[in-house]
Amino acid sequence: AQSVTQLDSQVPVFEEAPVELRCNYSSSVSVYLFWYVQYPNQGLQLLLKYLSGSTLVKGINGFEAEFNKSQTSFHLRKPSVHISDTAEYFCAVSDQSSNYQLIWGAGTKLIIKP
Amino acid sequence: ETGVTQTPRHLVMGMTNKKSLKCEQHLGHNAMYWYKQSAKKPLELMFVYSLEERVENNSVPSRFSPECPNSSHLFLHLHTLQPEDSALYLCASSQVGTDTQYFGPGTRLTVL
Repeated sequence: AQSVTQLDSQVPVFEEAPVELRCNYSSSVSVYLFWYVQYPNQGLQLLLKYLSGSTLVKGINGFEAEFNKSQTSFHLRKPSVHISDTAEYFCAVSDQSSNYQLIWGAGTKLIIKP
Repeated sequence: ETGVTQTPRHLVMGMTNKKSLKCEQHLGHNAMYWYKQSAKKPLELMFVYSLEERVENNSVPSRFSPECPNSSHLFLHLHTLQPEDSALYLCASSQVGTDTQYFGPGTRLTVL
């Protein structure tokens, strides 16, 4: 069965510095990959998704992620973070084994230091 | 109202109470979901309704009972809950055949 690992529960980073949030999944057979963001006291919002095609996916708010099939990874990056990026970020995967329901990681809290 | 709304936003209940959570989507979608979000754990899918029929029930205890009267509304009826059921309950909706789910803000449930 598919599983998702977000290795870092918290990532502190200075404002305007680059950031990478890591996501690995267990099975590489024909997956769909997603990053969602949850701002404080809000629901989850889609940041970006990979379904097929180019392995570099651009999303909202300047975020991008790269699908790496050999590493079974889908890391999220932003070249320069802003205080408004403070949130929790969730990686999710779907494939045939999950009937295309989303399998979620435990989340990574991005903490922006001024 | 736009998107997905949930009421109440906060709920405190005793173990013997009966309460209901409500979700409404204004996006014209035909699939709706209940998730449980606990701290430091992945989101747990509880129930899925597609075209108003329950298609997924991930071994959720019977003290949680979903109801989907139409494609825009979803309820989660709660009774005789346990303290470990305290969590954020998220509702989501999507269009069948598409991959993106749209989430409500959640109901923060505390069971005393």
